[in-house]
Amino acid sequence: QVQLVQSGAEVKKPGASVKVSCKASGYIFTSHYMHWVRQAPGQGLEWMGIINPIDGTTSYTQKFQGRVTMTRDTSTSTVYMALSSLRSEDTAVYYCARDSWLDTWGQGTLVTVSS
Amino acid sequence: EIVLTQSPDFQSVTPKEKVTITCRASQSIANSLHWYQQKPDQSPKLLIKYASQSISGVPSRFSGSGSGTDFTLTINSLETEDAATYYCHQSSSLPYTFGQGTKLEIK
Repeated sequence: QVQLVQSGAEVKKPGASVKVSCKASGYIFTSHYMHWVRQAPGQGLEWMGIINPIDGTTSYTQKFQGRVTMTRDTSTSTVYMALSSLRSEDTAVYYCARDSWLDTWGQGTLVTVSS
Repeated sequence: EIVLTQSPDFQSVTPKEKVTITCRASQSIANSLHWYQQKPDQSPKLLIKYASQSISGVPSRFSGSGSGTDFTLTINSLETEDAATYYCHQSSSLPYTFGQGTKLEIK
């Protein structure tokens, strides 16, 4: 079955960077775009960006431009989301999700930014 | 950026009631509108795609309608397990966006 498995929780200090992974299985990796969505504690869903697994092209929402980098490794069917210059407001659960209609979601990765 | 506005923000309802949640887009998005259910400490779950297309495994009491700027998620004969927060999401143009969410409480 289609599955997205994300890396474990992270605790980072302000100013640091984090890299979250999302390993796909159960389908042809290069046939489906991947998205990243985040959710701050008690808040709604926030779309961050998208990556084309075929050629690695990306599009990010303006809010994260310059701080976020999405990459992929086709040999392991894994996509990555790196966020730099972390601040306390980046504390959130980060999700990967497949396709424009987000039909499958990872289990989420909690990133805590605290001094 | 397309803004999605859901209403209401919160609704308290009784089992077997019919519930309607609306999502209004700041500009036309044709039918590129999808609905999700999120329960506490769980990942969101796709309920309806492209405004009205049903999803395998989702109970038939969930349905969607609308096009252009106005969309509706309807839950017929609400069950206690439907207590959750519901989100709409548009994939018409980048950056994709979500509505602010509607929290459904079961009395």
